[in-house]
Amino acid sequence: GNSVTQMEGPVTLSEEAFLTINCTYTATGYPSLFWYVQYPGEGLQLLLKATKADDKGSNKGFEATYRKETTSFHLEKGSVQVSDSAVYFCALYPGLTGGGNKLTFGTGTQLKVEL
Amino acid sequence: NAGVTQTPKFQVLKTGQSMTLQCAQDMNHEYMSWYRQDPGMGLRLIHYSVGAGITDQGEVPNGYNVSRSTTEDFPLRLLSAAPSQTSVYFCASTKWGQSSGNTIYFGEGSWLTVV
Repeated sequence: GNSVTQMEGPVTLSEEAFLTINCTYTATGYPSLFWYVQYPGEGLQLLLKATKADDKGSNKGFEATYRKETTSFHLEKGSVQVSDSAVYFCALYPGLTGGGNKLTFGTGTQLKVEL
Repeated sequence: NAGVTQTPKFQVLKTGQSMTLQCAQDMNHEYMSWYRQDPGMGLRLIHYSVGAGITDQGEVPNGYNVSRSTTEDFPLRLLSAAPSQTSVYFCASTKWGQSSGNTIYFGEGSWLTVV
């Protein structure tokens, strides 16, 4: 079946540090890949997505590139801010060719950014 | 511009009580689903529906019922609440039958405590 593996947290960084949160996946077909962000006390918000190999999703300074050869979708940001403190979820969406319409999530990675 | 609306946002139940979490979307999405979020386990799929009159089980369906009498609404029923059902619940929806790159929209979450 489909699965998503994320690096465990919490990840603690100083403001302006470089961020990488690793995400790898297992899937059949050609899934779409997503990063969702959850701020304290709130629901999930779509941060960025990529729908095919070599696509780069980007939003709010975050980027992730869909690497089919390494089955990865690592999240990066060049300079984090305190306001980026949240839980980040990597997710896979197989679509009709990949086994239905079920979204598969990683376990989430908590990011704490300190001054 | 409502998107996915969940109610209630917070609820405390006694063991054995029943209740219904409401979910409604105004985007004419065929696909709707319910997830629960527990620490260290990410989001797990409870039930999903690919259209009115059609529902199916996800990873953790026990103790929950759903129905889909209209496209807009997808209520989740707890028949006899147990402390193990203390969790945060998210409803999500998306278009069915189109490309796998469709965005999945989430409600803001329902915090449920069973005592």
